[in-house]
Amino acid sequence: QVQLVESGGGVVQPGRSLRLSCAASGFTFSSYPMHWVRQAPGKGLEWAAFISYDGINKYYADSVKGRFTISRDNSKNTLYLQMNSLKTEDTAVYYCARVGSSGWYADSWGQGTLVTVSS
Amino acid sequence: SYALTQPPSVSVAPGQTARITCGENNIGSKSVHWYQQKPGQAPVLVVYDDSDRPSGIPERFSGSNSGNTATLTISRVEAGDEADYYCQVYNSSGDRVVFGGGTKLTVL
Repeated sequence: QVQLVESGGGVVQPGRSLRLSCAASGFTFSSYPMHWVRQAPGKGLEWAAFISYDGINKYYADSVKGRFTISRDNSKNTLYLQMNSLKTEDTAVYYCARVGSSGWYADSWGQGTLVTVSS
Repeated sequence: SYALTQPPSVSVAPGQTARITCGENNIGSKSVHWYQQKPGQAPVLVVYDDSDRPSGIPERFSGSNSGNTATLTISRVEAGDEADYYCQVYNSSGDRVVFGGGTKLTVL
């Protein structure tokens, strides 16, 4: 079955960097686009970034554009999110999610990793 | 950033029908997807492409989309359906994904 396991979360000071990873298994990772979606404590879902199956096309929410970089290593079945210049408002649970075969929806989600930006 | 318009909360008695709406100008021209999220858990896709159900999702969950409103309908509501529900679309002008603000479904 599809399994997505995020890692790399933790507490970081404002202005610092953090890299999240998402290890995929149970499906042909290289065939699927992927999302990162985040959820601030007590708030709703917010899409952060998308990457095509081959890593060529990348799209970002305005709130993270220029600071976050999504990437993937299909040889390692791993998705990444490099987060730079972190702000307190980036505090959230970050989920990686597989994009569905017929559209931009997320048909499988990881359990998430918590990022806390605080001084 | 903007979000699709959802009612903050909907309440329904067990066995009744819950309807959760998602609004945007001309949303009927887009594909709408719905997620269920229970406390402390990751979201789960319950309806995609307006009205399709992933495998394993009960037939009690259905969706429709027309004009300015998309609707998630949950028939014969059970206590286990109590959760937050989010709608989502793809906005081609800007290549971005947009979620609704979420609706908390309470089973009375």
